[in-house]
Amino acid sequence: DAGVIQSPRHEVTEMGQEVTLRCKPISGHNSLFWYRQTMMRGLELLIYFNNNVPIDDSGMPEDRFSAKMPNASFSTLKIQPSEPRDSAVYFCASSLASYKEQFFGPGTRLTVL
Amino acid sequence: GQQLNQSPQSMFIQEGEDVSMNCTSSSIFNTWLWYKQEPGEGPVLLIALYKAGELTSNGRLTAQFGITRKDSFLNISASIPSDVGIYFCAGSGYGSSNTGKLIFGQGTTLQVKP
Repeated sequence: DAGVIQSPRHEVTEMGQEVTLRCKPISGHNSLFWYRQTMMRGLELLIYFNNNVPIDDSGMPEDRFSAKMPNASFSTLKIQPSEPRDSAVYFCASSLASYKEQFFGPGTRLTVL
Repeated sequence: GQQLNQSPQSMFIQEGEDVSMNCTSSSIFNTWLWYKQEPGEGPVLLIALYKAGELTSNGRLTAQFGITRKDSFLNISASIPSDVGIYFCAGSGYGSSNTGKLIFGQGTTLQVKP
C-alpha cells in the first residue's frame, strides 16, 4: 500500500521566491497534517484538516504561509515569499480520524538561500 | 499550553543492552504514540496506546500508557545496531481544542555500539 506521498523531496530556492510543497495522503484517511521540523524547535504542527476543512492553523508562522486541501487526495503548503528562516524539513501526515495514529510522509527538505 | 518532557535526550549503549525512555506531560492525555525517525526519513509509528494502564508490545519494543494519563515509557530489549535513530513520544489530550492535535516530545537520540 502506498503511504503518504510528498513532493518534491528536496527544494532549494532563493529568498523571495514562492515555494509550493505537495502532499497526497493515504487513501481513505480523513485527516491531514502539515508539520515543520528544525533542530531548534523540533516537530511543530502548522495546520491540520478534517475532511478537507482546515481545523486548526494556529501553528502557521505568519501570513506568508498558506495551505489548501482542494480534495481528499491532495494538499499544498505554500510559502510566499520565502525567507532563509523557513529552511526546514516539512512533513505531511494523515490519519483515519483526527484522534487516530498519524502516518508521516518522507518529508520535503527546504533550503532558502 | 501542553508540554511533553522526554528523557533522556540521548543514549549511547552497547549492542545487547536494554533501553528505556519516557515522557511526562503537564496535563492528561488520552492517546500516547511512539515514533522512530531515521536520517532523511519521516517518523514511523512504532506503538499506539489508547487506554490508561495499557501495556503493548511490538517485537522487542514495549510501551505503557501511565495510570495517571500523564506519562508513558518505551522499552527496547536486547538492542541491535539498526535500533539507531531518534525516538519521539507524542500525545493527544482531551478537549475540543486538543482533539487530534499531537504534541511531540523533544526526542531521544539512540546510538548503539556494535
